[in-house]
Amino acid sequence: DVKVTQSSRYLVKRTGEKVFLECVQDMDHENMFWYRQDPGLGLRLIYFSYDVKMKEKGDIPEGYSVSREKKERFSLILESASTNQTSMYLCASSSPGQGRTQYFGPGTRLLVL
Amino acid sequence: QKEVEQNSGPLSVPEGAIASLNCTYSDRGSQSFFWYRQYSGKSPELIMSIYSNGDKEDGRFTAQLNKASQYVSLLIRDSQPSDSATYLCAVEKAAGNKLTFGGGTRVLVKP
Repeated sequence: DVKVTQSSRYLVKRTGEKVFLECVQDMDHENMFWYRQDPGLGLRLIYFSYDVKMKEKGDIPEGYSVSREKKERFSLILESASTNQTSMYLCASSSPGQGRTQYFGPGTRLLVL
Repeated sequence: QKEVEQNSGPLSVPEGAIASLNCTYSDRGSQSFFWYRQYSGKSPELIMSIYSNGDKEDGRFTAQLNKASQYVSLLIRDSQPSDSATYLCAVEKAAGNKLTFGGGTRVLVKP
């Protein structure tokens, strides 16, 4: 079974704090993705990566950065958290090629006060 | 116009009936199409994927794709209360597995 894990299920941070969200997958997938999900807006892609050390901007990268030092791990960084970054954050992974299934982690619900 | 559009619902369906969900997309170059189910408080899980025009059946689920009309649909036959969830349509525009999601349709199956 594919397993994607995320470091925290719930997180409360203060405005201006640096926040790290970690995602680990155990299926040797090349592709990894970070989304945020908000009511009425659906899932929106923040960043993705097709390989170690490689990253590409998604649709809403502003205010975020990522790191992929190892194939199995993809980190999302909020350099200076703001209240409008309160959201559900979902990590996903997939094998390379078109039409591949993306497997999602359980999500991290982040509240920025 | 959103790239991928779905009716937000809720779609209320009696138990045992057919639930019909629709999704339209704007990019004619889209190649692959996915339906994910998401229970409240949980992460999305894949139900169906479809790549060519026509119907694809898997158990009680049937996905239908019409590239000329740019829509993809999902039928749930013999709907069960356990089918109550939000169904997300996702479209892959080009190679690279980058997906664009619709806002989701909430389905309520009433006993």
